[in-house]
Amino acid sequence: DAGVTQSPTHLIKTRGQHVTLRCSPISGHKSVSWYQQVLGQGPQFIFQYYEKEERGRGNFPDRFSARQFPNYSSELNVNALLLGDSALYLCASSLDDSSSGNTIYFGEGSWLTVV
Amino acid sequence: AQSVTQLGSHVSVSEGALVLLRCNYSSSVPPYLFWYVQYPNQGLQLLLKYTSAATLVKGINGFEAEFKKSETSFHLTKPSAHMSDAAEYFCAVRADTGRRALTFGSGTRLQVQP
Repeated sequence: DAGVTQSPTHLIKTRGQHVTLRCSPISGHKSVSWYQQVLGQGPQFIFQYYEKEERGRGNFPDRFSARQFPNYSSELNVNALLLGDSALYLCASSLDDSSSGNTIYFGEGSWLTVV
Repeated sequence: AQSVTQLGSHVSVSEGALVLLRCNYSSSVPPYLFWYVQYPNQGLQLLLKYTSAATLVKGINGFEAEFKKSETSFHLTKPSAHMSDAAEYFCAVRADTGRRALTFGSGTRLQVQP
């Protein structure tokens, strides 16, 4: 079975541009989360979605937005890109939102470089 | 609120030696604790998790961790290091109520010397 898949794997954008990152969760998983990992740091939580509803938001500016589609895939959008947005963006999925003990599975990530 | 502190950003061991990676957590509610490994240019892979069933948790690749509530610790160990264990290791905590996002530590880079 396929794991969490993300696209694109690498991309370069210019300051002020907009970017859309895409994620397909493991088949049967209904919860998707997004994390930002800046080089040399641990991942930071951005959003969680479950059944197309936002269930949590981290401490990120409104330039960051996301949504989940009926097939449970998800998009992360970042507007007005800043140099500091350069990072690895990780998508993660879990079966549901019923327990914090559920395993969260991560994708390989999308490397975003802002120049 | 939850937080995780990983002591030692870099740990170097010899092949065959004991691996000990330290993690201390802070949580206002009973925590769920996780260790993830990240190989260069890859995503995160779950090594093991604590969900209150047993304090000693065994994971993949010979790793294990012990939950010690009195010390608020969840240290990761492996009796004998292999070259293939060289990677970045992250400890994470997740609350059982409210927002269930993972809160990660800053990571420990493990080097294994031949």
